[in-house]
Amino acid sequence: DVQMTQSPSSLSAAVGDRVTITCRASQSVDSGLAWYQQKPGRAPKVLLYKVSILESGVSSRFSGSGSGTEFTLTISNVQPDDFATYYCQHYNGVSYAFGQGTKLEIK
Amino acid sequence: QLQLQESGPGLVKPSETLSLTCSVSGGSISSSLHYWAWIRQTPGKGLEWIARIHYTGSNYYNSSLKSRVTISVDPSRNQFSLTLRSVTAADTAIYYCARRGHDYGGAFDIWGRGTMVAVSS
Repeated sequence: DVQMTQSPSSLSAAVGDRVTITCRASQSVDSGLAWYQQKPGRAPKVLLYKVSILESGVSSRFSGSGSGTEFTLTISNVQPDDFATYYCQHYNGVSYAFGQGTKLEIK
Repeated sequence: QLQLQESGPGLVKPSETLSLTCSVSGGSISSSLHYWAWIRQTPGKGLEWIARIHYTGSNYYNSSLKSRVTISVDPSRNQFSLTLRSVTAADTAIYYCARRGHDYGGAFDIWGRGTMVAVSS
């Protein structure tokens, strides 16, 4: 099974900063890579799918890129509402695997 | 707007069987374009996909849980269900049902609010 490893596990940022979260796969994956945002007490919410396609209604400050085994989520101009935990998720055609999460905290 | 709602016991005894149901409203589970899944979240292991099913009954399981899990679908009730046998404390988690979006590359576009399940005597 593919393992997904996120880094860092947590990071601090100030409002207005640009932050990048990395997700590495244990083996090369295709375009089945998504990013989610989760706030305390809430279900995850999809932000991007197929690596870089922005979900409807999600701010364009979120962007995704990558290929092979390394993928990134970038948040530009971080806003107060962005402080949350972010997860990557891979799909290989039959099974699904999530990263362990990255908690974005206010500096 | 399609919505998902999990239901089931909040507490299950060790070695017993956990049964959860996900009710779909605002849309039909009998969509050829979508799959339906169970995902759980624990502080220790994070988010873990458990199983997925199509309204036709086609299913697939996480290999690590396959021996203890059954996922089923009831299109007439617009519901799908999860059964987890021989539970232990390690199965204590928030259980979510979710829809795999059409042409989303395997991403889950709609989630239920989740239901907390504790395994304890």
